Amino acid sequence: GAGVSQSPSNKVTEKGKDVELRCDPISGHTALYWYRQSLGQGLEFLIYFQGNSAPDKSGLPSDRFSAERTGGSVSTLTIQRTQQEDSAVYLCASSRTSEKETQYFGPGTRLLVL
Amino acid sequence: GNSVTQMEGPVTLSEEAFLTINCTYTATGYPSLFWYVQYPGEGLQLLLKATKADDKGSNKGFEATYRKETTSFHLEKGSVQVSDSAVYFCALSDRYGGATNKLIFGTGTLLAVQP
Repeated sequence: GAGVSQSPSNKVTEKGKDVELRCDPISGHTALYWYRQSLGQGLEFLIYFQGNSAPDKSGLPSDRFSAERTGGSVSTLTIQRTQQEDSAVYLCASSRTSEKETQYFGPGTRLLVL
Repeated sequence: GNSVTQMEGPVTLSEEAFLTINCTYTATGYPSLFWYVQYPGEGLQLLLKATKADDKGSNKGFEATYRKETTSFHLEKGSVQVSDSAVYFCALSDRYGGATNKLIFGTGTLLAVQP
């Protein structure tokens, strides 16, 4: 597609439920990043994929958070047993391997945990 | 560790006023520096970037110069418009801090331009 797409755009869930957030990067972009934007913490890095592997997971806040990427394209961020502090906008970005630092962001998924 | 500090907002200006949003950074190595903009209800968009000292990034009338001696990357525009109202984020990417090139962001500065 023309840009990074994410789904759903909004998600409301109850505390304790699991959620899955999806990211479709720009075609041909092998690097993929997840970030979180929250009122208290600003914009934080979560995880980085190069192809299907995740060499940097240092930003994942707890073992309730996991992510995978298949076919070097679509990525899914899963949050298990959601907590109210997980409420945030989850942003996905992608970039070319040759120019990783120039990242293109999707519109985000706004997650609200009640 | 690496970090970015930018001025607190909100910044409120009248149309055609001069804009400066200050940004300073702390980094090991030689980071690339970025300004991203987030318009109301939209995602983050790359506004401009600079990859080495003394480089000037520019786009849509905005400019920022990479100053290694003062570790700064201040955003400027000579004449703002109402349509520039948005949140502006300064960020760095440490190219030598491993292969990740993750972005480290400042807290964001809300700019409100009044007609």
